[in-house]
Amino acid sequence: QVQMVESGGGVVHPGRSLRLSCVASGFTLSGTDMHWVRQAPGKGLEWVAVIWNDGNNRHYADSVKGRFTISRDTSTNTLYLQMNSLRAEDTGFYYCARVNPVTTLGIDHWGQGTLVTVSS
Amino acid sequence: DTQMTQSPSSLSASVGDSVTITCQANQDITHFLSWFQQKPGKPPNLLIYDASTLQTGVPSRFIGSGSGTDFILTINSLQPEDSATYYCQQYDNLPLTFGGGTKVEI
Repeated sequence: QVQMVESGGGVVHPGRSLRLSCVASGFTLSGTDMHWVRQAPGKGLEWVAVIWNDGNNRHYADSVKGRFTISRDTSTNTLYLQMNSLRAEDTGFYYCARVNPVTTLGIDHWGQGTLVTVSS
Repeated sequence: DTQMTQSPSSLSASVGDSVTITCQANQDITHFLSWFQQKPGKPPNLLIYDASTLQTGVPSRFIGSGSGTDFILTINSLQPEDSATYYCQQYDNLPLTFGGGTKVEI
């Protein structure tokens, strides 16, 4: 069955970097568009980035553009989010999410999330 | 960006009741709308996509309707396990955007 498991979260100082991973199973990343979505504790959902199934086209939310990079490794079926120049407002749960194959951008499955805390 | 306005922000109902949650987009998103259910400490779970298509495995008491800019999630015959926060999300264009959420207490 479709499953995604994120890791890499933790506590980091402002200005530092962190790389999140999302290992997918039950489907192949090479044939799938994938999102990262975040959620500040007790708050709503915010889209972060998408990578298309060709692996070359990516789009980012304005709030992370120039600081975050979405990528993937099809040999390990792993999605990544490289986060640089982290800010306090980047704190939250980060979810990888699969695009529903019967839609263009809609999400059908989410990972369990990994918590990033940016604090001095 | 497409703004999604969801209401109410919270509601309280009893087992067996029917409730409706509305979601309004500030521009035409045709039918590119999903509804998610999220319980504390868990990721969101897809209920409805394409405004009215029930995701596999989701109980038929969840009904989505609407098109263009106005959408509704109806939950019939509320069950205790329906206590959660519900979000709408448009995927007509990037950035994907979500409604602010509706907390349903039973």
